Amino acid sequence: EAGVAQSPRYKIIEKRQSVAFWCNPISGHATLYWYQQILGQGPKLLIQFQNNGVVDDSQLPKDRFSAERLKGVDSTLKIQPAKLEDSAVYLCASSLGSVLTGTSGPLSYNEQFFGPGTRLTVL
Amino acid sequence: EDQVTQSPEALRLQEGESSSLNCSYTVSGLRGLFWYRQDPGKGPEFLFTLYSAGEEKEKERLKATLTKKESFLHITAPKPEDSATYLCAVQYPTQGAQKLVFGQGTRLTINP
Repeated sequence: EAGVAQSPRYKIIEKRQSVAFWCNPISGHATLYWYQQILGQGPKLLIQFQNNGVVDDSQLPKDRFSAERLKGVDSTLKIQPAKLEDSAVYLCASSLGSVLTGTSGPLSYNEQFFGPGTRLTVL
Repeated sequence: EDQVTQSPEALRLQEGESSSLNCSYTVSGLRGLFWYRQDPGKGPEFLFTLYSAGEEKEKERLKATLTKKESFLHITAPKPEDSATYLCAVQYPTQGAQKLVFGQGTRLTINP
């Protein structure tokens, strides 16, 4: 089974430039996540899609970050304009599970499968 | 506020020297606690999910346990290939949705 694909693997840009990352999740996975992982820290969820709808983007800096999930499959994450503090690894993950909207009911998150990440350096 | 804290930040062991990593959490209504392994330059790799206090899961030299406030990842007789960063994450309900928050990880080095 093919894993989560991400590209590019590395990107170096100057501050105030724009950059886009691409993710192709595992076939059939309904849920797609974008995480930001700063060196020495755990991943921080930026945005979560359920099929092609946004479920949670509460930690996405919407003044500069945007994301979309095309036809409920591939996804792109864009930063415009980039800042020095955006230097990090951007991880994409996918899972079969659907997301709860309430606090009761069946468990929501299935196992998340992560891609290799895109290492972004902003100079 | 810190909701998930892992300790120690880094741990260096000799091959065969058993130890434990800790993940403490302060969230309410835990729905699941996850352990991942992350090798340099790679995405996290799923290890275990624990759902309720008292639950234990094992995989090769690793055993994960869960209490109401923390989880432990026990490593028995580790080998150099067990060297990696180990991440825990907790899932909990908030504002009508489910959240998943990661700890900062424990960087484990096993010397031959």
